[in-house]
Amino acid sequence: DAGVIQSPRHEVTEMGQEVTLRCKPISGHDYLFWYRQTMMRGLELLIYFNNNVPIDDSGMPEDRFSAKMPNASFSTLKIQPSEPRDSAVYFCASSPPYTYNEQFFGPGTRLTVL
Amino acid sequence: RKEVEQDPGPFNVPEGATVAFNCTYSNSASQSFFWYRQDCRKEPKLLMSVYSSGNEDGRFTAQLNRASQYISLLIRDSKLSDSATYLCVVNPNDYKLSFGAGTTVTVRA
Repeated sequence: DAGVIQSPRHEVTEMGQEVTLRCKPISGHDYLFWYRQTMMRGLELLIYFNNNVPIDDSGMPEDRFSAKMPNASFSTLKIQPSEPRDSAVYFCASSPPYTYNEQFFGPGTRLTVL
Repeated sequence: RKEVEQDPGPFNVPEGATVAFNCTYSNSASQSFFWYRQDCRKEPKLLMSVYSSGNEDGRFTAQLNRASQYISLLIRDSKLSDSATYLCVVNPNDYKLSFGAGTTVTVRA
């Protein structure tokens, strides 16, 4: 079975540009999580969804960040406008129902904002 | 204070050695505990859950001390393939996992 799929795998952009990261969770999983990982701050939860509904977005750093989940098989994380401090690896993860303890991570998107 | 704190290491050990490290957590109401493994430039993957009575999975042993709020991981008979960063993970509530910054282990031939 395919795991969590993320695209693009690498993104290099200039400050001020809009960046859109994409995620396809594992089929049948009803929880989806967006994380950001940096050397300084480690792995931080940005937002998570249950059945396509945002449950907790308290980790979203500021209004420049937004996330959507229009259906069970697709989610986006958008940064507009991007800034150099947004440079990080962004992971998407999903969990099946009733077994929230294990989260399955995608390969991540390595974002560099120049 | 961070929710989960780990010694970043690195722990450099020869093949066949035993290595052990801990993490501490701040929320005494935490219910679930895990160790995830992250290889260089890869995604985290669940290594094992940590149960109150302690548990083993092959060469890996995890322990939980609720009174002192720490979790430990011990790796016996280390292999080169055990080289990775080990993330201590605590579930304070619901689906929000709190990740430690990781402990790096390097096993040398």
